[in-house]
Amino acid sequence: AQSVTQPDIHITVSEGASLELRCNYSYGATPYLFWYVQSPGQGLQLLLKYFSGDTLVQGIKGFEAEFKRSQSSFNLRKPSVHWSDAAEYFCAVGAPVGYSGGGADGLTFGKGTHLIIQP
Amino acid sequence: NAGVMQNPRHLVRRRGQEARLRCSPMKGHSHVYWYRQLPEEGLKFMVYLQKENIIDESGMPKERFSAEFPKEGPSILRIQQVVRGDSAAYFCASSPRKYQETQYFGPGTRLLVL
Repeated sequence: AQSVTQPDIHITVSEGASLELRCNYSYGATPYLFWYVQSPGQGLQLLLKYFSGDTLVQGIKGFEAEFKRSQSSFNLRKPSVHWSDAAEYFCAVGAPVGYSGGGADGLTFGKGTHLIIQP
Repeated sequence: NAGVMQNPRHLVRRRGQEARLRCSPMKGHSHVYWYRQLPEEGLKFMVYLQKENIIDESGMPKERFSAEFPKEGPSILRIQQVVRGDSAAYFCASSPRKYQETQYFGPGTRLLVL
């Protein structure tokens, strides 16, 4: 069965510092990969996605993520965080087109990483 | 172009009552997904629907929960005889074509069962 692991429940970063949020997945093939951000009491906003091609993908708000097949990872990075980046970040995977390995049709999410920004 | 809309945003029910959650997908989207988020947890897939069809309900509890997406109108997630354990945030997402396309999420409905 597919699964997503976000090993860091909380991360505290100083404003202006760099950020990396970790995501590892277990899947029968290379899945579609997503990062979403959720502010308190709000829905999820898509930051970026990887379907195929260049393994370094750029997203909104200055975020980027790198897909590493050998490590089954899709870590999210930002060179300099802003106080407004404080939120909950979710990594998710979805079955690629044509995948017949079973599992649900919806996305599988990690439990999230809560990002705290120190002034 | 309006995003995914959900209503109500907050819903309070007493144990044993029914909860109806509504989701209007983005314009042009015919695929709808429902997810549940328990406190301190990530989102869990519940059901995937296309117009008038349930495609995958593998994440739905077997009892008391049902979903529909009629030809006209919003998708409805219905919870009968709610219990305290149903208290959660319920999110709807939509996508334009195949189910593996990017999913766009609504703001969610926060259900509180007293």
